[in-house]
Amino acid sequence: QQQVKQSPQSLIVQKGGISIINCAYENTAFDYFPWYQQFPGKGPALLIAIRPDVSEKKEGRFTISFNKSAKQFSLHIMDSQPGDSATYFCAASIPSPIYNQGGKLIFGQGTELSVKP
Amino acid sequence: EAGVTQSPTHLIKTRGQQATLRCSPISGHTSVYWYQQALGLGLQFLLWYDEGEERNRGNFPPRFSGRQFPNYSSELNVNALELEDSALYLCASSLVRGTAVHRELFFGEGSRLTVL
Repeated sequence: QQQVKQSPQSLIVQKGGISIINCAYENTAFDYFPWYQQFPGKGPALLIAIRPDVSEKKEGRFTISFNKSAKQFSLHIMDSQPGDSATYFCAASIPSPIYNQGGKLIFGQGTELSVKP
Repeated sequence: EAGVTQSPTHLIKTRGQQATLRCSPISGHTSVYWYQQALGLGLQFLLWYDEGEERNRGNFPPRFSGRQFPNYSSELNVNALELEDSALYLCASSLVRGTAVHRELFFGEGSRLTVL
């Protein structure tokens, strides 16, 4: 119930193409869904986040699509660039005041994206 | 402004030994989180400290423990090390903004623990 399942595990995309990473969850108490980007040797950094009251959020070339009924959300990277090559993690969390459950981010297993020039 | 800092960067131990990892959060952040990043397993939640108290704990055995100091820095202790404890241990900090209940986590670069 606390899991977030992410696919694919790895993805190779040509420069200029669209990268799509999918995540699914079971726990309906999750109400915050961020995506983190991690470059080799670095810690993850927040890329974009969405709440379940909206179906889509766009920031530059990055878009989150959210399907509440299907309990799925996805990251789309438009016009993918070699500099986007990194590992991407989806995550979900329960409100932090619920101390015995909340406050922590539950991460997916990660997707290693490689954008070929 | 300095980010989250972790030490040591690398640590090599043998089975049965103890490891201590340290984390300094971003100035003003009161919450510290510890995650384990093992190959192919993503980031597994270990511990959450807020205002000096342990608030939540992941599915890890009791030999994983930690604490948060009055200056909000934190340390993670792993006792009786096992080979499968080899991983990157990431610390993150966060700041409560007003009534926000979801917080952006700011991660350090991690401490790589190798157990031989």
